[in-house]
Amino acid sequence: QKEVEQDPGPLSVPEGAIVSLNCTYSNSAFQYFMWYRQYSRKGPELLMYTYSSGNKEDGRFTAQVDKSSKYISLFIRDSQPSDSATYLCAMSAYSGAGSYQLTFGKGTKLSVIP
Amino acid sequence: EAGVTQFPSHSVIEKGQTVTLRCDPISGHDNLYWYRRVMGKEIKFLLHFVKESKQDESGMPNNRFLAERTGGTYSTLKVQPAELEDSGVYFCASSQVQREEFFGPGTRLTVL
Repeated sequence: QKEVEQDPGPLSVPEGAIVSLNCTYSNSAFQYFMWYRQYSRKGPELLMYTYSSGNKEDGRFTAQVDKSSKYISLFIRDSQPSDSATYLCAMSAYSGAGSYQLTFGKGTKLSVIP
Repeated sequence: EAGVTQFPSHSVIEKGQTVTLRCDPISGHDNLYWYRRVMGKEIKFLLHFVKESKQDESGMPNNRFLAERTGGTYSTLKVQPAELEDSGVYFCASSQVQREEFFGPGTRLTVL
């Protein structure tokens, strides 16, 4: 079983729709939970990160963490064509070597159709 | 402020050759990381520098990979000799604080 599972999609939605992206994980040691956005031929860009269970909002984006279910979500409200990208979840645990290692999901490719 | 830069953007080499990838982190960032994404797989951690010291190199796949960070500034990742399975995109990231990593655009390596 992979440590982080993420449906690769692709996911296609009409402009203005609410988008829900999800990841599940198996490693209870994960402490920090991130969402990255990656445009084609670019590096991942950090959108949000959370530490505790609950919701965190930033503009049109809401990150949700449920540690009891080992499940995280990213919601995008009023989706725009410019949101079309690959969204990667990532989780961080202390490696025991003085480092917090990021473990990524495979990414979900999102297309927002005008 | 300039972001993380990587050079080259794309490298095509033959099996057995040597390739050196370079990463210039954001100025002032002590933490520098290398990651790799091979075809169809997730982005995987390779190693982490704090200034010029290797903090964690547990993700390095084998001894054909050598990473250095000169004077705590830029970093290089050398693959010698390259094998077919080394093909992929190599990302560098830097941060002031761990967990807030800024990624470069990546170097796409193709080994023929």
